[in-house]
Amino acid sequence: DSGVTQTPKHLITATGQRVTLRCSPRSGDLSVYWYQQSLDQGLQFLIHYYNGEERAKGNILERFSAQQFPDLHSELNLSSLELGDSALYFCASSEGTGWNMNYEQYFGPGTRLTVT
Amino acid sequence: GQQVMQIPQYQHVQEGEDFTTYCNSSTTLSNIQWYKQRPGGHPVFLIQLVKSGEVKKQKRLTFQFGEAKKNSSLHITATQTTDVGTYFCAGQGNYGQNFVFGPGTRLSVLP
Repeated sequence: DSGVTQTPKHLITATGQRVTLRCSPRSGDLSVYWYQQSLDQGLQFLIHYYNGEERAKGNILERFSAQQFPDLHSELNLSSLELGDSALYFCASSEGTGWNMNYEQYFGPGTRLTVT
Repeated sequence: GQQVMQIPQYQHVQEGEDFTTYCNSSTTLSNIQWYKQRPGGHPVFLIQLVKSGEVKKQKRLTFQFGEAKKNSSLHITATQTTDVGTYFCAGQGNYGQNFVFGPGTRLSVLP
């Protein structure tokens, strides 16, 4: 158990819909990262938040957005969903301070999103 | 942009054989991390290398960071069925570029 929690575990929704994925980092970790992993694919970095502020953006679509709240939990919002958005979405946390990502990342169990 | 490649994409070995996966970056890395993802699981951190030419060992696993800090390798001696999974390398460039994961090497170990 990494100490990172993600909800829900599974999500099935239709094209065009909007969903919110939730992540609670390990106790004490201020950095939260979101990744997308499509079937049999690698991990695509989406976005990184540190203590409520966006630190880095990766290959995140404009239809996707994220935020980190004062209690450090984070939400990833996916809108106007398309079939191709079906994937496993991982959240990770670290004690890193932000720009320099040389800290171990602890991954949550992931949310499996299926868009039909 | 920064690219990280891994070879091979897949590797099937007989239990007891050795296994090596290679990671190559298009740019110099400030650090490299290795993760293992078991089937149906989430990535789990294995190790981080920071210094040029650094070599670290964890039991049967040996990790190496190239002298130019653009490549790395993971070698497993005498594989076991518990080594099954996908091994990812990941790194960040020297100028604060985004953290990039390689596509991974999927290891199958036949008993």
